[in-house]
Amino acid sequence: LAKTTQPISMDSYEGQEVNITCSHNNIATNDYITWYQQFPSQGPRFIIQGYKTKVTNEVASLFIPADRKSSTLSLPRVSLSDTAVYYCLVGDPNFGNEKLTFGTGTRLTIIP
Amino acid sequence: GAGVSQSPSNKVTEKGKDVELRCDPISGHTALYWYRQSLGQGLEFLIYFQGNSAPDKSGLPSDRFSAERTGGSVSTLTIQRTQQEDSAVYLCASSLFAIVGGGSTDTQYFGPGTRLTVL
Repeated sequence: LAKTTQPISMDSYEGQEVNITCSHNNIATNDYITWYQQFPSQGPRFIIQGYKTKVTNEVASLFIPADRKSSTLSLPRVSLSDTAVYYCLVGDPNFGNEKLTFGTGTRLTIIP
Repeated sequence: GAGVSQSPSNKVTEKGKDVELRCDPISGHTALYWYRQSLGQGLEFLIYFQGNSAPDKSGLPSDRFSAERTGGSVSTLTIQRTQQEDSAVYLCASSLFAIVGGGSTDTQYFGPGTRLTVL
């Protein structure tokens, strides 16, 4: 049973804001929500992590509603180099977890 | 079926010693990843093996870290001259395929991790 659900793919034009939403209905109390970016032939790389409300860093913002059953990654003013696969991952960062999986992610394509 | 296994589950070592962490991926999975996990940083990518191709080592934090994958299956992550900042949970993941031609990757399945404590 998948722990997270994301759209398979999204397209956007350069300069626009992109919002990718992830559903995680079974999130546990100790779970954090983390987003990763993966380019072809490379491993996933950390973008942002949050527990609740809003988190912002130099790359993105993460919005988490009060019930924590979903989260939205927001990428401001995307460029062609933002074309990648984006993964939402839910888990307890204090423990290794054999149930932790990356799903197939959201393939974001930026159009010139 | 059997998932990804890692050993040891816990390792306590003294600063300056070398450690080896082992990962047994799911049988038939061609891609294998090593990550380091800490609060606030999520999963930190370390290294990625895809079949017999040269690994992507771009995530290794220093030359004290190395990894190999023998016969396209079992992998060993070695940390030489361990430092206290190396303390973390080290996770291994495998997937049936990896990204091919710019398309999306396959689901990665994680092992339970090795908790490394450097005193």
